[in-house]
Amino acid sequence: QVQLQESGPGLVKPSQTLSLTCAVSGGSITSDGYFWSWVRQPAGKGLEWIGRVDTSGFTNYNPSLKSRVTMSRDTSNNQFSLKVSSVTAADTAIYYCARVTMVDGFYFDSWGQGTLVTVSS
Amino acid sequence: QSVLTQPPSVSGAPGQRVTISCTGSSSNLGADYDVHWYQQLPGTAPKLLIYGNINRPSGVPDRFSGSKSGTSASLAITGLQAEDEADYYCQSYDSGLSGWVFGGGTKLTVL
Repeated sequence: QVQLQESGPGLVKPSQTLSLTCAVSGGSITSDGYFWSWVRQPAGKGLEWIGRVDTSGFTNYNPSLKSRVTMSRDTSNNQFSLKVSSVTAADTAIYYCARVTMVDGFYFDSWGQGTLVTVSS
Repeated sequence: QSVLTQPPSVSGAPGQRVTISCTGSSSNLGADYDVHWYQQLPGTAPKLLIYGNINRPSGVPDRFSGSKSGTSASLAITGLQAEDEADYYCQSYDSGLSGWVFGGGTKLTVL
């Protein structure tokens, strides 16, 4: 059973860069058949897909965030990361990391517990 | 405005059947991309409920079922229970955005 755990600062100042890491256990981020992704959820609102990194390290981002988002992976520590630059209050949200499975479509079959990031001075 | 449209809320009494709709377009559900459903209990991460339009992961009760036709999909819950009170989200792929998209979510209230 794969498990994901987000970590990173809970408070980021406006205009700075938000940085989060997702540690994966119970499975390798280089295993075929999966993508590794970030999803966020502002308080009281819906889910927004941010981006994904595949087993080869290639990335794909939500067009609405593409100019500010960078994802990467660290295979030696079996983790992947998210950076969002030039943050504003609109980036305040719970950030989830998740595994995407490619069987019968592409869906998020395992999720981290989420971490709240607040953008405020 | 979400790419996939869901009703903001639905409700039903215990034991009843409720359905939650998810309406897309020709660049997502209408392009034959699969739809998937998630249940989010208060204060918790989303949980996969239905994948590939109709399939239930191990451990999900058969009270939950999914269907898809054209640009629309539905999640049906029969024998409604108090523990089903949660937010429900549909999700698919959109070729115009070249990425995954979620519905805006539906809050289910068990009366």
